[in-house]
Amino acid sequence: DQQVKQNSPSLSVQEGRISILNCDYTNSMFDYFLWYKKYPAEGPTFLISISSIKDKNEDGRFTVFLNKSAKHLSLHIVPSQPGDSAVYFCAASLLGLNSGGSNYKLTFGKGTLLTVNP
Amino acid sequence: DVKVTQSSRYLVKRTGEKVFLECVQDMDHENMFWYRQDPGLGLRLIYFSYDVKMKEKGDIPEGYSVSREKKERFSLILESASTNQTSMYLCASSWALSYTFGSGTRLTVV
Repeated sequence: DQQVKQNSPSLSVQEGRISILNCDYTNSMFDYFLWYKKYPAEGPTFLISISSIKDKNEDGRFTVFLNKSAKHLSLHIVPSQPGDSAVYFCAASLLGLNSGGSNYKLTFGKGTLLTVNP
Repeated sequence: DVKVTQSSRYLVKRTGEKVFLECVQDMDHENMFWYRQDPGLGLRLIYFSYDVKMKEKGDIPEGYSVSREKKERFSLILESASTNQTSMYLCASSWALSYTFGSGTRLTVV
């Protein structure tokens, strides 16, 4: 049973417009969420994160929103650029349940391929 | 910058071969992970380690084993490669939830 779901395999937007990538989770114990970006033939790179005590985190063109009651988060990219074209993975962690020296496991979604058209 | 280096970018192996995928990190991270990435399935955790000689199974450990004899090196072993293990393999190391991934090894089993 997948605990982190990205239900849209792909998304296509025009350059300059907003890209909204969605992620749902089923485990209410998740308390830390991250977004990773992956280009072909490269490893994923960290983009932005949010703790469950917040409902929004912003970093330049990237904003992540968290709706805990709906178990939903979204990544907004404004404005979208062709260089943003990549696969975006949502990930979640049980950070609050971990202690030092134990695992920091992330559960990933299946990813959404974003294509930004010039 | 943290670097995670995977020894091979591309590998082609035969069914039944024993395959070693090597991963080395240079930032003294405690935690190391092996994932595989498949189309439509995302990133799935195979094994992870939070200390030397410590290992724990991830979500899909069957057909794999790991070795962590030194802190900087985490090896993934396919005991007897099968065609369904054809995939992109990604190694990561982390300090807490700050993950750094390697560039991946594209393994094809024929």
